[in-house]
Amino acid sequence: EPEVTQTPSHQVTQMGQEVILRCVPISNHLYFYWYRQILGQKVEFLVSFYNNEISEKSEIFDDQFSVERPDGSNFTLKIRSTKLEDSAMYFCASRHQGRGNTEAFFGQGTRLTVV
Amino acid sequence: AQRVTQPEKLLSVFKGAPVELKCNYSYSGSPELFWYVQYSRQRLQLLLRHISRESIKGFTADLNKGETSFHLKKPFAQEEDSAMYYCALRGAGSYQLTFGKGTKLSVIP
Repeated sequence: EPEVTQTPSHQVTQMGQEVILRCVPISNHLYFYWYRQILGQKVEFLVSFYNNEISEKSEIFDDQFSVERPDGSNFTLKIRSTKLEDSAMYFCASRHQGRGNTEAFFGQGTRLTVV
Repeated sequence: AQRVTQPEKLLSVFKGAPVELKCNYSYSGSPELFWYVQYSRQRLQLLLRHISRESIKGFTADLNKGETSFHLKKPFAQEEDSAMYYCALRGAGSYQLTFGKGTKLSVIP
């Protein structure tokens, strides 16, 4: 069964450093998402991406964050200058186009620790 | 604004007992409701969605628009049902899922 794959599984970075989280969505999916979950809190939506542009983003997704799909397969989340409060589990998800296909498939997540 | 509330952080039941995981939502239009499950050390995966009206692993959930609820039920809990359960909502025309805080179900043998 196809899966969404995320790398790395755990990333430790120093405050102020740039970090890139990578995701390979399911191959025939067209909608891509990033969510995050701070320890002990709910899963929160960050951004959705469709047709090579951001379709929706939350208040959390400020100028420090960016997403891109550089090569048609990878979907990346970049945090330009990490802060301690960016420490969280980051989940990538993808969804096939079409009203009947509304299920989002999630990756295993990348645990980001900012020290 | 849309919101999903799961009032129970932890629910412990004995094997064979009925289970009900509560989910209430706040949304002005017609939402899509989902239950996601996360087993230990595994990814979030869809358990069921209200538009399918299906039963997965013995679980069912009915959307009650009057009570704005989408409670998850199973008549007889199994040990393998122990997991985190998240209720989620997608608004009409929206791309994002809004999640509840999750309920940890622990089935006692």
